[in-house]
Amino acid sequence: KNEVEQSPQNLTAQEGEFITINCSYSVGISALHWLQQHPGGGIVSLFMLSSGKKKHGRLIATINIQEKHSSLHITASHPRDSAVYICAVKGSGGGADGLTFGKGTHLIIQP
Amino acid sequence: DTEVTQTPKHLVMGMTNKKSLKCEQHMGHRAMYWYKQKAKKPPELMFVYSYEKLSINESVPSRFSPECPNSSLLNLHLHALQPEDSALYLCASSHPGTGNFYGYTFGSGTRLTVV
Repeated sequence: KNEVEQSPQNLTAQEGEFITINCSYSVGISALHWLQQHPGGGIVSLFMLSSGKKKHGRLIATINIQEKHSSLHITASHPRDSAVYICAVKGSGGGADGLTFGKGTHLIIQP
Repeated sequence: DTEVTQTPKHLVMGMTNKKSLKCEQHMGHRAMYWYKQKAKKPPELMFVYSYEKLSINESVPSRFSPECPNSSLLNLHLHALQPEDSALYLCASSHPGTGNFYGYTFGSGTRLTVV
């Protein structure tokens, strides 16, 4: 069973700061997801990665398959970025199976 | 259409009630999932349907009964629930393989309160 670790668990920063959230996993995967969840809200998928790097607006996600590590970066952070960010992985087998989730990083961006 | 639609968004039910949660997608995904999320915890997998057949049941109590009547629709029937079953219930769908086309997509969830 894959173990997914995220760090930090909690992060408070000032508006405009560059944010990095890290995720590591223990067993090979076919895909890694970065998800966003606002308090009381549902889950929004930000990125799905199987290799390399993706960018969407102020968000950048990278993955290093050999090191079993991924990072989510937020540039020019804004209070509306305050949310829980969750890393989740899909195993390397084919077929339909559930994702394994990290415990999430609770991000607060202060004005 | 790139969405997973869940209804209702909020549900309050008594312990003797029977209710159903509904999940719908029109992306041609042939795998659909139910997750349960308690406050401040990550989602936990409940059920997986692949090609309309139940492929994974994570030892979920029988008071939760899933149904997949067709490739676009997934239901979760609820009966005789307990207050500790109060949670956010999330539906997701995907192509059942791997790679760039598998497109795991979450719905916005149904927030269930059992009284």
